[in-house]
Amino acid sequence: AQTVTQSQPEMSVQEAETVTLSCTYDTSENNYYLFWYKQPPSRQMILVIRQEAYKQQNATENRFSVNFQKAAKSFSLKISDSQLGDTAMYFCAFMKANTNAGKSTFGDGTTLTVKP
Amino acid sequence: KAGVTQTPRYLIKTRGQQVTLSCSPISGHRSVSWYQQTPGQGLQFLFEYFSETQRNKGNFPGRFSGRQFSNSRSEMNVSTLELGDSALYLCASSPYGLWDNEQFFGPGTRLTVL
Repeated sequence: AQTVTQSQPEMSVQEAETVTLSCTYDTSENNYYLFWYKQPPSRQMILVIRQEAYKQQNATENRFSVNFQKAAKSFSLKISDSQLGDTAMYFCAFMKANTNAGKSTFGDGTTLTVKP
Repeated sequence: KAGVTQTPRYLIKTRGQQVTLSCSPISGHRSVSWYQQTPGQGLQFLFEYFSETQRNKGNFPGRFSGRQFSNSRSEMNVSTLELGDSALYLCASSPYGLWDNEQFFGPGTRLTVL
């Protein structure tokens, strides 16, 4: 079974600064997907970024980028130029890349607070 | 496009009752997945439906079931409710599956079991 660990339950960052959220996972699979999701307070979950394990290039979406280290089974999220709207709980998730690829495993989440 | 909608938004039931939650995906999306979110267990995958067929299932008891209709709308049912079923139930839709880079979540249904 796959496990996803987010070792930082809470983090804070000053507006406009950069913050990195950590995620490690355990799997024997070679092909899989990794995701970061954002859940703002009392608002809907949003997919932030996706990484395909077969791609060596780290995924980037505007101010959000990942550092994917396949051998180390590490998948961290970097948020640059943090904004107040980035305040949310962030979940890291793993999904196998096969016909059972709808079955996700989530970490416990990191609550990020962006301070003005 | 309209977003993912879930009804009802809030629900209060008593132990032993059953409940049905509904999820309407974004038009054109064929995959609908359901999740349970609780403070104690976090986010857990329930099941995924694609073209009216359950394609994946998480580790939940048989009291949790679902279905998908030809218009891709999905329902999940929980029978014989237990206190521990109190949770936020989320659904998400995507065109082909939740490996898509295009995934959208609904606002959730908050279920309270008394």
